[in-house]
Amino acid sequence: AQSVAQPEDQVNVAEGNPLTVKCTYSVSGNPYLFWYVQYPNRGLQFLLKYITGDNLVKGSYGFEAEFNKSQTSFHLKKPSALVSDSALYFCAVRGGTGFQKLVFGTGTRLLVSP
Amino acid sequence: GAGVSQSPSNKVTEKGKDVELRCDPISGHTALYWYRQSLGQGLEFLIYFQGNSAPDKSGLPSDRFSAERTGGSVSTLTIQRTQQEDSAVYLCASSRTPTNTGELFFGEGSRLTVL
Repeated sequence: AQSVAQPEDQVNVAEGNPLTVKCTYSVSGNPYLFWYVQYPNRGLQFLLKYITGDNLVKGSYGFEAEFNKSQTSFHLKKPSALVSDSALYFCAVRGGTGFQKLVFGTGTRLLVSP
Repeated sequence: GAGVSQSPSNKVTEKGKDVELRCDPISGHTALYWYRQSLGQGLEFLIYFQGNSAPDKSGLPSDRFSAERTGGSVSTLTIQRTQQEDSAVYLCASSRTPTNTGELFFGEGSRLTVL
């Protein structure tokens, strides 16, 4: 069965600095990887996904993520953090053939300080 | 509508009562999902609908939980004889494509509190 690990409950970064939110996964077959963001009292918003092709995927709000097959990782990155990036970030994976439920990690809270 | 719509946004109920949560997916989206988000937990898959196929109910935690989707559009999640551990945010999502590559679009959730 597929699974996702987000090893950090919280990441703190100063505005203007680069940020990384870590994600590792386990899935049989080719992984389909997703990042979502949840702002306070809001639903989840899709940020980006990796299906195939270039290992560096660019998404919304200046975020990008790098797929690393050998390390089974899909870390979320942004070159310069904004205070407004403060939110809860979820990594998710599905894979294989047939219907595969999208499995989410437990989330990482990002706090960007002014 | 423009997005996935869920109602009610908040529901407080007493232990043992039944509750119904409603989801109206994005028009034209054929796939519909229910997830549960508990405090400090990730999102727990509950059930998946795709067109006229039999739903995947593998995530429903007990037989107190059931869901239906009428006319391939609106879905209702029903929890019978609610327990305190059912307190959570219930999220509905829809997807244009049933394949594993399609992203899900989420509603803002229904927060259920069981006293």
